[in-house]
Amino acid sequence: SQKIEQNSEALNIQEGKTATLTCNYTNYSPAYLQWYRQDPGRGPVFLLLIRENEKEKRKERLKVTFDTTLKQSLFHITASQPADSATYLCALTQYNFNKFYFGSGTKLNVKP
Amino acid sequence: SQTIHQWPATLVQPVGSPLSLECTVEGTSNPNLYWYRQAAGRGLQLLFYSVGIGQISSEVPQNLSASRPQDRQFILSSKKLLLSDSGFYLCAWSWPGGGYNEQFFGPGTRLTVL
Repeated sequence: SQKIEQNSEALNIQEGKTATLTCNYTNYSPAYLQWYRQDPGRGPVFLLLIRENEKEKRKERLKVTFDTTLKQSLFHITASQPADSATYLCALTQYNFNKFYFGSGTKLNVKP
Repeated sequence: SQTIHQWPATLVQPVGSPLSLECTVEGTSNPNLYWYRQAAGRGLQLLFYSVGIGQISSEVPQNLSASRPQDRQFILSSKKLLLSDSGFYLCAWSWPGGGYNEQFFGPGTRLTVL
């Protein structure tokens, strides 16, 4: 079965630095990879989607890369702020597929 | 605009009791609907999804069931709760048509089984 791995340890960085989060997967060939933000006690909120034929996607301070050879996606937040502190989840799915498979998420702590 | 509602927000139930969680979506029609469970410090586990009224796909064998009696209503049920059913239950919807569509999540229900 498919396996999606995100760093279980929290990532602690200083305000203003770039945060880089990793999503690795095995036994799966996703057509789309999505990133979500989840605050404590709340539902996840969609951030970005990248397709398998795209190498990179940007939105404001966010950047996502997708390497289907390495089976890995990297999620970058540049000029990080304390308000960026949250858990970030990656989710994979396929063409014409209605099921989403989520990773366990990585908690990001941005210190002022 | 679209909104998604879940209730109740929190629930404490004894082992062996029944369960009914409700989710409704407003402002859209024929959405895909999903139930997820999130254990403490863990990721989202897909429990059920539905692409239409009466159409339910189960992802994990368990003592839970789901129903979609109306287009924008999704219900999660159990006849007898287990301790392991404790967790954060999230309902979500997406536009029909596949994985390029983002998911919109409800506020969640925190279930504690004692």
